[in-house]
Amino acid sequence: DIVMTQSPELLAVSLGERATINCKSSQSVLYNFNNKNYLAWYQQKPGQPPKLLIYWASTRESGVPDRFSGSGSGTDFTLSISSLQAEDVAVYYCQQYYNLPVTFGQGTKLEIK
Amino acid sequence: EVQLVESGGGLVQPGESLRLSCAASGFTFSAHHMDWIRQAPGKGLEWVGRTRNIAHNYTTDYAASVKGRFTISRDDSKNSLYLEMNSLKTEDTAVYYCARNVGGSYWGGWIDPWGLGTLVTVSS
Repeated sequence: DIVMTQSPELLAVSLGERATINCKSSQSVLYNFNNKNYLAWYQQKPGQPPKLLIYWASTRESGVPDRFSGSGSGTDFTLSISSLQAEDVAVYYCQQYYNLPVTFGQGTKLEIK
Repeated sequence: EVQLVESGGGLVQPGESLRLSCAASGFTFSAHHMDWIRQAPGKGLEWVGRTRNIAHNYTTDYAASVKGRFTISRDDSKNSLYLEMNSLKTEDTAVYYCARNVGGSYWGGWIDPWGLGTLVTVSS
């Protein structure tokens, strides 16, 4: 199984500042034949199901604010929030869909400092 | 609007069985792979399994933790997904989410959207 490891587990950022969450996979999730990284990011607010933010490591889902961006390739990925808003308080998960079983990172809880 | 609504959760004793259902609307259900994902209280996300679309012969895959105990099925005529859970253990206690898989290839893709979930509690 591909193990997804996120860091940090808890992140406190001031409103308006940049938040950066890291995700590392135990093996590459880059498919050479199409040069795509099989990685997605989700946001989960308390009492709600996860919501898709990013797929193909850097493609923002329709309707997701452009302050959210994804980057990285191979085994190292980053989710960035350029200017933290109060409504961004949530737990964020990375997920690989390169092979089965689908696996998720353990989550990063983002709080306001 | 794409919508997924789970039902069937509840309190059961260890060793018992339970069947969850998921009603889908707002999209062409038969065209998509569908996943079940669970989340134990206060914990992270665990993929449970998948049923592929008709183009991939409705094949299924499961997480090792549930293989042989859980069965995923679907009824495209009813736009419905099911999760039959047998020999339940206390560690199966979780919110179970029904989710659409976006990708179409055999290996599937990202997951969107997710239903609101249904809570399964396994306790004596």
